[in-house]
Amino acid sequence: GDSVTQMEGPVTLSEEAFLTINCTYTATGYPSLFWYVQYPGEGLQLLLKATKADDKGSNKGFEATYRKETTSFHLEKGSVQVSDSAVYFCALLPYNFNKFYFGSGTKLNVKP
Amino acid sequence: GAGVSQSPRYKVAKRGQDVALRCDPISGHVSLFWYQQALGQGPEFLTYFQNEAQLDKSGLPSDRFFAERPEGSVSTLKIQRTQQEDSAVYLCASSPRGNYGYTFGSGTRLTVV
Repeated sequence: GDSVTQMEGPVTLSEEAFLTINCTYTATGYPSLFWYVQYPGEGLQLLLKATKADDKGSNKGFEATYRKETTSFHLEKGSVQVSDSAVYFCALLPYNFNKFYFGSGTKLNVKP
Repeated sequence: GAGVSQSPRYKVAKRGQDVALRCDPISGHVSLFWYQQALGQGPEFLTYFQNEAQLDKSGLPSDRFFAERPEGSVSTLKIQRTQQEDSAVYLCASSPRGNYGYTFGSGTRLTVV
């Protein structure tokens, strides 16, 4: 069945460090891929998405490229800030279906 | 409204008690979804509505869970005879149609004691 696997956290970085959070998926057909962010006490916010192979989603300095050959959608940011501290979820939305499959989340702590 | 509104924000229930969680979707959004997020985990799908029709309830964990959306707008998730394993954050999301434009609410944190 469809599933998402993302690297376990927590990930602790110093401000301005480079961030990578790995995400791989298993799916039939051609899913869309997403990264959501959850700040403490808040709901999920869409960070970026990609709907087909080789698409790059980007927002607020974060990027992820839909790699069909490696079934991956790794999240990257060149220079993290303290305000980026949150839990990040990779998610898959199968084509023509209506429910997301989420990874277990990766907590990011950015220290000044 | 401007976003998806869920109430209550927090709910503490004694084991065996019935609870009802409310979701107000964005006005005009046809699709509505419920997810359950256990502590330290990603959200898991519970059920999906298109207007008032419940098209998929495959994620409801037991027959103690029931969801409705009688007029195609507000939805209620009801849990009967709550148990400790029901403790989680319950997230509601809506979208204008099908697969895109999801907006999640802030969730209801249910604690069963």
